[in-house]
Amino acid sequence: EAGVAQSPRYKIIEKRQSVAFWCNPISGHATLYWYQQILGQGPKLLIQFQNNGVVDDSQLPKDRFSAERLKGVDSTLKIQPAKLEDSAVYLCASSLVQTGEQFFGPGTRLTVL
Amino acid sequence: AQSVTQPDIHITVSEGASLELRCNYSYGATPYLFWYVQSPGQGLQLLLKYFSGDTLVQGIKGFEAEFKRSQSSFNLRKPSVHWSDAAEYFCAATTSGTYKYIFGTGTRLKVLA
Repeated sequence: EAGVAQSPRYKIIEKRQSVAFWCNPISGHATLYWYQQILGQGPKLLIQFQNNGVVDDSQLPKDRFSAERLKGVDSTLKIQPAKLEDSAVYLCASSLVQTGEQFFGPGTRLTVL
Repeated sequence: AQSVTQPDIHITVSEGASLELRCNYSYGATPYLFWYVQSPGQGLQLLLKYFSGDTLVQGIKGFEAEFKRSQSSFNLRKPSVHWSDAAEYFCAATTSGTYKYIFGTGTRLKVLA
């Protein structure tokens, strides 16, 4: 069974630039999550999708972050414009059911200069 | 507010010694509880989970955790640590009401040869 795929693995941009991350969850997993993990901290949920609907986006900075999950499969997370404090690892995870085990991708490490 | 607390930021043990990582939660009702492990540069992997029933939960890699309602705790244990267990460990919780996952800040485990 293929795992959660994410790309790119690393990205370096300058502040005020835009960046997009892509995630392809495990086939059949209805729930998809995007997390932000700042160095030395635990993952913080940014947005959670159930199929292609948003379940929770209360911690998503909506003035600069956006996410979509078209057709209820893969998803993109965008930052526009980026700030220095956005430097972090962005993790994507998926689960079969909303309270089940989450399977994580390898993450995208973003550095904003 | 709902929260997950891991009091120990760093723990160092000798190889072969026993291990206990602490996790406390603050929720109105008993949440679903999880322990994940993250190796450097990797995504998170589930070690074990507690939904209900037997309060002693067995997981992968020889780990177990005990749920104690009276102490609002879900501590992770291993009787004999191996050098390959060096990683960061995260406790997480969610509920069937919100489906929102909250992670602790993590405990970084160092294993001495």
